[in-house]
Amino acid sequence: DGGITQSPKYLFRKEGQNVTLSCEQNLNHDAMYWYRQDPGQGLRLIYYSQIVNDFQKGDIAEGYSVSREKKESFPLTVTSAQKNPTAFYLCASSTGGGRGSPLHFGNGTRLTVT
Amino acid sequence: GESVGLHLPTLSVQEGDNSIINCAYSNSASDYFIWYKQESGKGPQFIIDIRSNMDKRQGQRVTVLLNKTVKHLSLQIAATQPGDSAVYFCAEFSSGNTPLVFGKGTRLSVIA
Repeated sequence: DGGITQSPKYLFRKEGQNVTLSCEQNLNHDAMYWYRQDPGQGLRLIYYSQIVNDFQKGDIAEGYSVSREKKESFPLTVTSAQKNPTAFYLCASSTGGGRGSPLHFGNGTRLTVT
Repeated sequence: GESVGLHLPTLSVQEGDNSIINCAYSNSASDYFIWYKQESGKGPQFIIDIRSNMDKRQGQRVTVLLNKTVKHLSLQIAATQPGDSAVYFCAEFSSGNTPLVFGKGTRLSVIA
């Protein structure tokens, strides 16, 4: 049963702490993505990776970091430098390539920082 | 429809009626378009896609229309059901390795 798994579903942290969100896919997709979604708003791209050991900043990368050491995994770290980290975080994957392909999404991690 | 600030455009329809959700895309070079459905607390789900060499594509109860002249995309849902209540996003892709760009979304509410 192929898909994308994000864990945990809910995450609570104190201000000033770094936190890492997990994203794993078993779809054998080359490309992976992280989006942030705030209430009543669309999806904003944080980072994406087209291939292992390579990644690019999206529109709102400041205060976040990623790694892509394995094809299946693309963890996102929300650092203490992120000014407003409370949000719903979505991970996605796709086959990639230049012709466009659908993104497959996980069910998200809701991060609350107090 | 595009939203401003924190308020998503909302479309309310009676159960059994047809729904039409609109999206204005930004890049005239975009050649691939997708509609997603997002239910509360979940990730977006793929509904239907269309490439720029087509102007209409049909799925099960859904039709996507593409008007490249005015950069407009629409999603038609036939015989709307309560389970169709969700936020709907359009996304566009232009050739190359840039990621999909998502619209701000439209909330569909189905009145039973």
